[in-house]
Amino acid sequence: QEKVQQSPESLIVPEGAMVSLNCSFSDSASQSIWWYQQHPGKGPKALISIFSNGNKKEGRLTVYLNRASLHVSLHIKDSQPSDSAVYLCAVIQANYGNEKITFGAGTKLTIKP
Amino acid sequence: GPKVLQIPSHQIIDMGQMVTLNCDPVSNHLYFYWYKQILGQQMEFLVNFYNGKVMEKSKLFKDQFSVERPDGSYFTLKIQPTALEDSAVYFCASSFQNSAETLYFGSGTRLTVL
Repeated sequence: QEKVQQSPESLIVPEGAMVSLNCSFSDSASQSIWWYQQHPGKGPKALISIFSNGNKKEGRLTVYLNRASLHVSLHIKDSQPSDSAVYLCAVIQANYGNEKITFGAGTKLTIKP
Repeated sequence: GPKVLQIPSHQIIDMGQMVTLNCDPVSNHLYFYWYKQILGQQMEFLVNFYNGKVMEKSKLFKDQFSVERPDGSYFTLKIQPTALEDSAVYFCASSFQNSAETLYFGSGTRLTVL
């Protein structure tokens, strides 16, 4: 069974700082990795996904995937108070055409104005 | 963006009663999911549903749980009978093709079993 572990559990940074969130997974055959943002009382919202080794940039977000080390990271540039939320790493496993998603426990991010 | 609507937002019931959680997925989506999240804990997969059938279910999807989407209406999760450990927030999600595509989540139904 896929295991997804996120670190740190929580993070407090000042506004404008660069934020780095980490996620490790156990299955090298995992199809793709997604990052979701979850505000209190709301459902997760998809932010960015990556399939291939390397990095992918969208706006202030950059995600890095290293399949050899089973590690993916999310970096948020120029962080803003509205970025305060729980960030969830989700790993997709292909399963004979029926994909399965496993979520990590999340990192609680607080951006201080 | 596309929205998934969950009704009700809160539900309080007595242990042993039946409860139905309703989800109105994004209109052209074909895959539907239920997830369970106990406060402060990990989001856990319950079941996914496609073309009128359960495709996969987890160990958390007990015999007391059932899902259906009659005639393209709400996608429902029914628990009968409920147990204390069913207290959690239940999230519905939908996607156009499969979970390799973007999943759109509702805001959840907070279920409290007394």
